[in-house]
Amino acid sequence: GQSLEQPSEVTAVEGAIVQINCTYQTSGFYGLSWYQQHDGGAPTFLSYNALDGLEETGRFSSFLSRSDSYGYLLLQELQMKDSASYFCAVRGKAAGNKLTFGGGTRVLVKP
Amino acid sequence: DVKVTQSSRYLVKRTGEKVFLECVQDMDHENMFWYRQDPGLGLRLIYFSYDVKMKEKGDIPEGYSVSREKKERFSLILESASTNQTSMYLCASNEGMSNQPQHFGDGTRLSIL
Repeated sequence: GQSLEQPSEVTAVEGAIVQINCTYQTSGFYGLSWYQQHDGGAPTFLSYNALDGLEETGRFSSFLSRSDSYGYLLLQELQMKDSASYFCAVRGKAAGNKLTFGGGTRVLVKP
Repeated sequence: DVKVTQSSRYLVKRTGEKVFLECVQDMDHENMFWYRQDPGLGLRLIYFSYDVKMKEKGDIPEGYSVSREKKERFSLILESASTNQTSMYLCASNEGMSNQPQHFGDGTRLSIL
């Protein structure tokens, strides 16, 4: 089976940096994804890491360490619109590109 | 842009009813998924399908079934609705065996009374 752990909530001020950690346990691993979901909205894809290291996409970066079964999402220069829930998800070795999601981290950005 | 459309945004049904949730995608994706989302539990996979008429159980299939008669449409069926099936239901799709992202619909908030 697969399981993921991430913090339930993080609060920060505009302009700050937030790091959301995700640890996972899986019997088979292809990669780690991150999704963002605003209240009342659909989850939207942010990033995917299959190899160790840091992937940067604008203000957001994602990191993976396969040996530590650990990854994180880094949100820089926080803006009010970044207030949302963020989910890490593990892609397992099964048909259909199945994902297993963590419980989500609610990020609240304050002025 | 990929469009995943769920037939209802809000739905209220009664215990014991048979409930159908419909999902249509317009990008000719091979894979389609049904999740339920509950606070603190993230998204949990109910069923997925990687081809027409093909289906695989996810992590919580009990009490649900699915149908995929056409490539673009994936239906979730609650055979006999119960109050513990009150939840947000999300449909998603993506291309075949790859790291391609899943594209989600806006969700159906289902209440079973």
